[in-house]
Amino acid sequence: DIQMTQSPSSLAASVGDSVTITCRASQSVSTYLHWYQQKPGKAPTVLIYGASYLQTGVPSRFSGSGSGTDFTLTISSLQPEDFATYFCQQSSGSQWTFGQGTKVELK
Amino acid sequence: EVQLVESGGGLVQPGGSLRVSCGASGLIFRKYWMSWVRQAPGKGLEWVANIDEEGSEKYYVDSVKGRFTISRDNAKNSLFLEMNNLTTEDTAVYFCASLFQYSSGWHPGRHFDYWGQGTPVTVSS
Repeated sequence: DIQMTQSPSSLAASVGDSVTITCRASQSVSTYLHWYQQKPGKAPTVLIYGASYLQTGVPSRFSGSGSGTDFTLTISSLQPEDFATYFCQQSSGSQWTFGQGTKVELK
Repeated sequence: EVQLVESGGGLVQPGGSLRVSCGASGLIFRKYWMSWVRQAPGKGLEWVANIDEEGSEKYYVDSVKGRFTISRDNAKNSLFLEMNNLTTEDTAVYFCASLFQYSSGWHPGRHFDYWGQGTPVTVSS
């Protein structure tokens, strides 16, 4: 199975900061890589799909890049509502896996 | 407005069985692949199973193969997960989710789109 490794596991940032989260796959997933945001007690919501496509309704401060095994999620100017946990997820093949998550906290 | 509503979670003893359900509204249910995703307390997300539009293709994470069965009833806009031989490792909130399909590369891409609120399953003696 494809293992997904996110880094860092957590980070502390301030409103207005630019934040980058990385996700590495144990083998190529092409661009079948998606990013989700989850807030406590809520279901996740998709931010980026296909590695770089912004989901409808998601603010443009979120962006994704990468292909193959290395991917990044960037939040260009962190807003108060962005403090949450972020997960990458691959959908290459029939066995899907998530990264372990990155918690973005207020510094 | 799309709504996915899970039900059927609860407390079950190790070795026991449980069936969770997901009712869908606001989308043409029979046109979507559907999934179950779970989240153990304080942990990350784990994909559990997928089912195609007609219920003919089913895929499972290795840890539940042979114990869990995903199924659907398109006439009733419902998705199910039958869970047998449960262990404490299966304790989690179980979410149902619809899959959005998009064109990409060698095969269509799919990502989790709409989610339910989740139903908790606790396996404990």
